[in-house]
Amino acid sequence: KQEVTQIPAALSVPEGENLVLNCSFTDSAIYNLQWFRQDPGKGLTSLLLIQSSQREQTSGRLNASLDKSSGRSTLYIAASQPGDSATYLCAAQGSGGSNYKLTFGKGTLLTVNP
Amino acid sequence: GAGVSQSPRYKVAKRGQDVALRCDPISGHVSLFWYQQALGQGPEFLTYFQNEAQLDKSGLPSDRFFAERPEGSVSTLKIQRTQQEDSAVYLCASIYRYQGQGGETQYFGPGTRLLVL
Repeated sequence: KQEVTQIPAALSVPEGENLVLNCSFTDSAIYNLQWFRQDPGKGLTSLLLIQSSQREQTSGRLNASLDKSSGRSTLYIAASQPGDSATYLCAAQGSGGSNYKLTFGKGTLLTVNP
Repeated sequence: GAGVSQSPRYKVAKRGQDVALRCDPISGHVSLFWYQQALGQGPEFLTYFQNEAQLDKSGLPSDRFFAERPEGSVSTLKIQRTQQEDSAVYLCASIYRYQGQGGETQYFGPGTRLLVL
């Protein structure tokens, strides 16, 4: 059974700082790895999706990397802003017969202080 | 166009009451998912529909939980005889294709926050 762990559980940084969020997964046979953002009282917004054959994806100030063999992914946020404050969730999408399933970590609660 | 919508947004139920949660996916989306998110946890998979067919219900916690999508669009998650441990946010997500055919992410609704007293 796939298990996804996110470290740290919470992070507080001053505005402008670069930061890294970590995600690890136990079963490397994944279809893809996704990063989502969740704001209080709202649903999930997709940030980046990395296919299993890819090593990284970039969108604006966000860069996500994937190392399938070691079961790790990182989300790098450059020049953080107060508007980046949210919970960040990573999710591993299974392969094989259950390639539709997303297994989520518990998330990292990010606070960017002005 | 409109995103995934869910109703009600908030529901307070007395223990033992039955509840029904509705999900309107993005028009034309084939695949639909339900997730349960307890406080401080990540979402957990409940069930998956492809059109009107429920292909996987392995995540439903008990036989008190039932989901349907009779016409392949709107879906309803029903919880019978609610218990306090059912308190959570219930998220619905949809995707255009059959999941697994492309590297497409799921589009999530805002969720229904259920509180069982």
